[in-house]
Amino acid sequence: DAGVTQSPTHLIKTRGQQVTLRCSPKSGHDTVSWYQQALGQGPQFIFQYYEEEERQRGNFPDRFSGHQFPNYSSELNVNALLLGDSALYLCASSFADVAKNIQYFGAGTRLSVL
Amino acid sequence: RKEVEQDPGPFNVPEGATVAFNCTYSNSASQSFFWYRQDCRKEPKLLMSVYSSGNEDGRFTAQLNRASQYISLLIRDSKLSDSATYLCVVTTDSSKTGKLIFGQGTTLQVKP
Repeated sequence: DAGVTQSPTHLIKTRGQQVTLRCSPKSGHDTVSWYQQALGQGPQFIFQYYEEEERQRGNFPDRFSGHQFPNYSSELNVNALLLGDSALYLCASSFADVAKNIQYFGAGTRLSVL
Repeated sequence: RKEVEQDPGPFNVPEGATVAFNCTYSNSASQSFFWYRQDCRKEPKLLMSVYSSGNEDGRFTAQLNRASQYISLLIRDSKLSDSATYLCVVTTDSSKTGKLIFGQGTTLQVKP
């Protein structure tokens, strides 16, 4: 049973560029959440996707956008990269039913913005 | 004020020691509570859920005090392999999404 997979594992970009990160949820899960984890901090919620719609959004600017595909996989896009966007980006998958909502995390994509 | 606050540590303890971590949360509407463990440069993994009655899983005991909005994690007989960052996590299920709200994390180093 494959867990949550993310790609790429590492990425280096320069300021102003755009980046796309990808996530495949754990088998059977239909909900994908994205988190940003800066060095020395806990993960911060970016947004959550369910049924190909953004269901909730955290306190992140519009430069952060996402998408969910019919197979439940998801992408996170960040435009006009800033140095402060350097972080570990984590994808978590779960069931939509909050009662079953144990979120499982992927290994993350480490983004460095130079 | 942060929604979930933890002492970042680090806590340096010898093998076999008992160590306790504390966490406070600001939203009295918080519904679910967890401890996650994160090894260096890895993803967070669920350690245990925290229930009002308190719960134990082997050497780990978690307690919740809703009146004081306080969560604790006790680790007995520490092992070298317990060295990690421990993240206190809450949800406010009014969002109906199970959005996880993380504390900063508390770093534990267990020394031989």
